[in-house]
Amino acid sequence: AQTVTQSQPEMSVQEAETVTLSCTYDTSENNYYLFWYKQPPSRQMILVIRQEAYKQQNATENRFSVNFQKAAKSFSLKISDSQLGDTAMYFCAFMKHEEYGNKLVFGAGTILRVKS
Amino acid sequence: GAVVSQHPSWVICKSGTSVKIECRSLDFQATTMFWYRQFPKQSLMLMATSNEGSKATYEQGVEKDKFLINHASLTLSTLTVTSAHPEDSSFYICSARDRGGELFFGEGSRLTVL
Repeated sequence: AQTVTQSQPEMSVQEAETVTLSCTYDTSENNYYLFWYKQPPSRQMILVIRQEAYKQQNATENRFSVNFQKAAKSFSLKISDSQLGDTAMYFCAFMKHEEYGNKLVFGAGTILRVKS
Repeated sequence: GAVVSQHPSWVICKSGTSVKIECRSLDFQATTMFWYRQFPKQSLMLMATSNEGSKATYEQGVEKDKFLINHASLTLSTLTVTSAHPEDSSFYICSARDRGGELFFGEGSRLTVL
């Protein structure tokens, strides 16, 4: 079975600064997908970024980038130039490659507060 | 992006009653939808996978007679919490998969059982 661990229950960052959220996972699979989802106070889950395990290049989406270390099974999210609207709960998630579009295994989440 | 809508977004009911929550894909057809349960400040736990025209597949430990799932059309799945009790109070979230395999989440439904 796959497990996803987010060791930081809560984090704070000053507006315009950079913050990194940690995620580690455990799997025996070789091909899989990793995701970061954002759940703002409005509660709707939004996909922030996606990484395919067979791609060595780290995914980036504007101010969001990941540091994917496959051997270490680590998948951290870096948010640059933090904005107040980034305040949310962030979930790291895993999906098997052959089950794309199916089951997501979520971590416990990290509450991020961006302060002005 | 694709839109998934849940209704109601917030419901309060008395213990012993049943509550139905709807999940609709508004601009795409979803042969598969997923129902999650989320406790405050905790992660999402998959309850069941809902497939259009067939029986739902429940995760281990989820009572299928307690949480009835019906996926009657390509745009609608419903979750009925039967004989609700206070311990069923939670946030219920659905997600729908489009034909490309992408997942989109609803806004969630908060259930409070008195």
